[in-house]
Amino acid sequence: GQQVMQIPQYQHVQEGEDFTTYCNSSTTLSNIQWYKQRPGGHPVFLIQLVKSGEVKKQKRLTFQFGEAKKNSSLHITATQTTDVGTYFCAATYQLIWGAGTKLIIKP
Amino acid sequence: EAQVTQNPRYLITVTGKKLTVTCSQNMNHEYMSWYRQDPGLGLRQIYYSMNVEVTDKGDVPEGYKVSRKEKRNFPLILESPSPNQTSLYFCASSLRTGNEKLFFGSGTQLSVL
Repeated sequence: GQQVMQIPQYQHVQEGEDFTTYCNSSTTLSNIQWYKQRPGGHPVFLIQLVKSGEVKKQKRLTFQFGEAKKNSSLHITATQTTDVGTYFCAATYQLIWGAGTKLIIKP
Repeated sequence: EAQVTQNPRYLITVTGKKLTVTCSQNMNHEYMSWYRQDPGLGLRQIYYSMNVEVTDKGDVPEGYKVSRKEKRNFPLILESPSPNQTSLYFCASSLRTGNEKLFFGSGTQLSVL
């Protein structure tokens, strides 16, 4: 069936460094959503991208949807401790989820 | 306050003992769904419901049942739990379809011994 591959599984960064997670599909996606799950918490909706080539920003977070609507990325500039958690992408009508990227801030 | 309420938060049970995890939303949402979360696998959908008395299987429905007799409630039933159903479960809802912003409950950590 349709799948969304999300990479990397983990990313360790120093506070202040940037972070990026990628979602890739072999098929065209109707839209893509991004969620954040803090440790011990539940997923919280961040944003939805619908249009080809769409770019949206939320403060230090930049979300992109590829021109072919087969991939998406989330980029965080200058990470802070509050960014720690797992970031998930979710695609298509019945929300096929990526496996998530865990952002870890090095002490 | 708009929310999705799941109970219990933690549950330890033994193989074969029927259990129900409750889910209720106060936002008048039509769409509700259940997910399980396992390390490295992300969220996998178990069942979903587009409205009252309308339910359908997700990706991993085996061993689970659901019902949607009222708009606000969507319980998850494990008739005969097995250890491979040990997982973190989330209920979620959205206004009309699964293609919209999902609101999640706080989760139920289930251990089947």
